[in-house]
Amino acid sequence: SQTIHQWPATLVQPVGSPLSLECTVEGTSNPNLYWYRQAAGRGLQLLFYSVGIGQISSEVPQNLSASRPQDRQFILSSKKLLLSDSGFYLCAWRQGAKTEAFFGQGTRLTVV
Amino acid sequence: AQSVTQPDIHITVSEGASLELRCNYSYGATPYLFWYVQSPGQGLQLLLKYFSGDTLVQGIKGFEAEFKRSQSSFNLRKPSVHWSDAAEYFCAVGAGGPGSARQLTFGSGTQLTVLP
Repeated sequence: SQTIHQWPATLVQPVGSPLSLECTVEGTSNPNLYWYRQAAGRGLQLLFYSVGIGQISSEVPQNLSASRPQDRQFILSSKKLLLSDSGFYLCAWRQGAKTEAFFGQGTRLTVV
Repeated sequence: AQSVTQPDIHITVSEGASLELRCNYSYGATPYLFWYVQSPGQGLQLLLKYFSGDTLVQGIKGFEAEFKRSQSSFNLRKPSVHWSDAAEYFCAVGAGGPGSARQLTFGSGTQLTVLP
């Protein structure tokens, strides 16, 4: 069966520090991968998605970037965090457009 | 572009009462529709999905949803709510076709509180 791992679960980082959140999927190949950010009461905001290795689409101009160095690995990064980067970050995968998304357990990022 | 509206930000029901969470979508063709549930600090779990066929779909935990094309709605229902159903619920719409990898749009969520 397929599983998705996302880490760390919680993270407290100072303003201006770098960020790296990692997400890996097991049990499938060539998935579509997604990074969402969730703010309280505002639903899910799609940040990045990827349909293949090295293929990244950005949905929202911001202080973040994403990379997909391997088929089942998706990384969310920042060179210098801002206070506004605080939030709950969710990684997800889909096998194709006509399927549901499966989510990781999320990372609570607090920038102080 | 597709969109999803969940008009109720917060709903409170008593345990044992029936529940209906509203979802309206906007999309030009037949959508793929989903309901997810999220417990605090957790990821989203799929409750049910609609792709085609029977417009009344059954999901996990006793939930069901009905697709009504004429009303562009996909409301979630449960006949008798349990305290463990307290969570946040998200409706989502997806699409097929070229360029559809990104097209999974979520509503802003409905927070459900269950009173004892």
